[in-house]
Amino acid sequence: NAGVTQTPKFQVLKTGQSMTLQCAQDMNHEYMSWYRQDPGMGLRLIHYSVGAGITDQGEVPNGYNVSRSTTEDFPLRLLSAAPSQTSVYFCASSKDRDLTDTQYFGPGTRLTVL
Amino acid sequence: GQQLNQSPQSMFIQEGEDVSMNCTSSSIFNTWLWYKQDPGEGPVLLIALYKAGELTSNGRLTAQFGITRKDSFLNISASIPSDVGIYFCAGQFFGSGGSNYKLTFGKGTLLTVNP
Repeated sequence: NAGVTQTPKFQVLKTGQSMTLQCAQDMNHEYMSWYRQDPGMGLRLIHYSVGAGITDQGEVPNGYNVSRSTTEDFPLRLLSAAPSQTSVYFCASSKDRDLTDTQYFGPGTRLTVL
Repeated sequence: GQQLNQSPQSMFIQEGEDVSMNCTSSSIFNTWLWYKQDPGEGPVLLIALYKAGELTSNGRLTAQFGITRKDSFLNISASIPSDVGIYFCAGQFFGSGGSNYKLTFGKGTLLTVNP
């Protein structure tokens, strides 16, 4: 198993540009989520999904969209990038929706918005 | 929303020393988790705690779920250079409104170990 994979690893955007951060897992996990990590802020939940076709907002959802058309993939879309979205983004997955099992994190995408 | 207060923010210790860090919350949690993040990597789960009062060990790591369900601590004994990294606590509350599906993270403790 490749585990949780994220692409790209690094990205630089200009203000107003849009892009999609990709996340995939090959463990048939039910639960997937996106976090952002900023210095001194820990990890904050952006959006999560408890199964294909089901998504919900986390702590900081504004400016981000998600969809879950398949079990494997959970892309995060920035519709109009802003400098405040400069951050490291982590995707995570867990076998069960109730998070009773370990949550596995991807290697992260480092995004800079100029 | 629920918030976790994690302390200390950073620690500088000598190899061989023991380390202790903790998290507190104004709200109760049903699950406490401790993660470690190495530079340039995603967090990795170290220990999971599911019951109030539970004390769990994983090698040189020991963690406890506070009896009030509002706090947890992590101890590392006989630290080694590879213990360097950021340690995060995280809590999960089983309640209404989808809270089962969310983890709340502390802001992290940066550990530096001098050989």
